Amino acid sequence: DAKTTQPPSMDCAEGRAANLPCNHSTISGNEYVYWYRQIHSQGPQYIIHGLKNNETNEMASLIITEDRKSSTLILPHATLRDTAVYYCIVRVPPESNTGKLIFGQGTTLQVKP
Amino acid sequence: ETGVTQTPRHLVMGMTNKKSLKCEQHLGHNAMYWYKQSAKKPLELMFVYNFKEQTENNSVPSRFSPECPNSSHLFLHLHTLQPEDSALYLCASSQAGGRAGELFFGEGSRLTVL
Repeated sequence: DAKTTQPPSMDCAEGRAANLPCNHSTISGNEYVYWYRQIHSQGPQYIIHGLKNNETNEMASLIITEDRKSSTLILPHATLRDTAVYYCIVRVPPESNTGKLIFGQGTTLQVKP
Repeated sequence: ETGVTQTPRHLVMGMTNKKSLKCEQHLGHNAMYWYKQSAKKPLELMFVYNFKEQTENNSVPSRFSPECPNSSHLFLHLHTLQPEDSALYLCASSQAGGRAGELFFGEGSRLTVL
């Protein structure tokens, strides 16, 4: 699986958009970009994933550059409850059930009032 | 509520004790995982089970013994642990065809070894 690079920490004002970057310059053509987040002392939670097109769901938007070497997770209106560690993971979707995820250090997002 | 339940949520044990962590998933998934998260460190994959069969052991010491009696239940048996084994132990499950292998995590069991 390709390696990802994320800033260790970021701040965001409540109500503003939070833009979390991720570099994955060695991504392969069949690898997807996944985002999870982990609120303090809880299990990680799936946010969104994509291959090359921009994706949006009820939680966030994912913008992937045309060369696919980087991506940005956007939380359009951050709230205090969005304070968490955000993980960007790149991997090939599993063909079988065993789709293990390898986590890095992630980005600690602090949303401030 | 993610559909993955872990018990106990907190556990304190001595180095000579034997205890077990339990995980149950109510999602009909076929794969289950144990992860370990030590303070200030990323999650580390420990074990993977697929249809009750262990498919991955990530060089975990033998004092951690997993058991998967069926696709809905996963245990982690603990014996003669060390203080450095104190961590948050997270269980997860997944199903083929579900959002390209999305993992659903439980809330975790926080273990303290004295």
